[in-house]
Amino acid sequence: QSALTQPASVSGSPGQSITISCTGTSSDVGSYNLVSWYQQHPGKAPKLMIYEGSKRPSGVSNRFSGSKSGNTASLTISGLQAEDEADYYCCSYAGSSTYVVFGGGTKLTVL
Amino acid sequence: EVQLVESGGGLVKPGGSLRLSCAASGFTFSSYSMNWVRQAPGKGLEWVSSISSSSSYIYYADSVKGRFTISRDNAKNSLYLQMNSLRAEDTAVYYCARDLAEGWELPSTFDYWGQGTLVTVSS
Repeated sequence: QSALTQPASVSGSPGQSITISCTGTSSDVGSYNLVSWYQQHPGKAPKLMIYEGSKRPSGVSNRFSGSKSGNTASLTISGLQAEDEADYYCCSYAGSSTYVVFGGGTKLTVL
Repeated sequence: EVQLVESGGGLVKPGGSLRLSCAASGFTFSSYSMNWVRQAPGKGLEWVSSISSSSSYIYYADSVKGRFTISRDNAKNSLYLQMNSLRAEDTAVYYCARDLAEGWELPSTFDYWGQGTLVTVSS
C-alpha cells in the first residue's frame, strides 16, 4: 500500500483534458510545498514533469500543470496527445522520519 | 548533458550482498544530493536512500535501514549503494537520481534519473 493515493487508471481522447489526483495527509502533501510528478513510459526511467506543486522544468510542455488543495495534489494534462500515454507518479516530502513518499501510480490511456 | 549510469545489478541469493554504482557526468557532482529509488517488477516507485553533497546527511527508507549503506566519492563522480542481507522483496530496478536543487540537503525532488540496474534476489 502506497503512502499517497492515486487512481489506478484514467483515460481521455486526444485533445481532451484529464486530471490525476494524489491524496496524502497533513504529514506530507498537506504540510509541504514539495509535491512532484513523474511520467514513466514502459521500460524507461521516470521523467520529472512538475515540481514544488506547480512548477514545470525547462522543456516540459505547458500542457502539464499542477496544483494542490489541502492534502490533495493534482496533475492536469490538457490537449491530450498520444505520446502522453504513460504511467504517472506523484511524490511528496514527508518530514524528517519518512522523508519521501510516492503514490502508487496512475496509468493514463489515450483513447 | 547530465548522465547517470548505474551498474552492479544481477542475480543474488537471499541473504547475499551486492554493491551498486552510479557514474555521473555533465554536472558538478559534488554540489548535489543524490538518491537511490527502486521499482519492483510491475510495481510503483519507492525511495530508498539519499546522501547530501558532502555526505554529511544520509537518509534511508525504513524498509532498508540497517541493511543498505549509501556512499559517494566526489573525486570519482560516483554514487554507491551497498546492499546486505538481501531479501526477495528487494528485487527491483534500482535508479540513481539527482536531487533538483543544488545544495539542498533534504531528499524531495528528482530531476535526472539513470536507466536503472536490475537486482534479482532469488535462490
